[in-house]
Amino acid sequence: DAKTTQPNSMESNEEEPVHLPCNHSTISGTDYIHWYRQLPSQGPEYVIHGLTSNVNNRMASLAIAEDRKSSTLILHRATLRDAAVYYCILRDVESGGSNYKLTFGKGTLLTVNP
Amino acid sequence: DGGITQSPKYLFRKEGQNVTLSCEQNLNHDAMYWYRQDPGQGLRLIYYSQIVNDFQKGDIAEGYSVSREKKESFPLTVTSAQKNPTAFYLCASSIGRIRGYTFGSGTRLTVV
Repeated sequence: DAKTTQPNSMESNEEEPVHLPCNHSTISGTDYIHWYRQLPSQGPEYVIHGLTSNVNNRMASLAIAEDRKSSTLILHRATLRDAAVYYCILRDVESGGSNYKLTFGKGTLLTVNP
Repeated sequence: DGGITQSPKYLFRKEGQNVTLSCEQNLNHDAMYWYRQDPGQGLRLIYYSQIVNDFQKGDIAEGYSVSREKKESFPLTVTSAQKNPTAFYLCASSIGRIRGYTFGSGTRLTVV
């Protein structure tokens, strides 16, 4: 599975934008980029995914580099409820049965200061 | 509302006993998964199932067993062969190859 690299932790102030980076230099053409977040003692929550183009939804935006070797999850105005571990994951949609699996790393712990 | 239900939320068992964790979904998702999470760590895949009556081992299947007799249900049994069973267990489901997973709220298992 192609791997991702994320900073262990980041800090932000409330109501400011947050840019969470992810490097995936070995990404293949059929890998989708997924982001999840996990609040303490809860299951992960799907945030957003994309393939090549930038994506927006009500939770966040996903900016994908032109060469697809990196991406950035953007929270436009951080709130205290956004404090969580954020996971960047690649999902290969072409590799037979194993394409259903998601492999989670340790993610980035986001702290939001009031 | 559709979702995934894991029960119980907390579970305590004595060492050497088998225990079964429940996972039910009403999302009509084809695929279901079990993950384990230890403190400060990411999620590790135990088993997954793409269709009824079929499942595959994940990265840490030893000491665990599953069944998929119904589309809605994917119970996980933690057997006495699992050396370090105390952990947070998460069940998830998905449909298709592109969409994201939906996770349950987890079961925290403590073996004493």
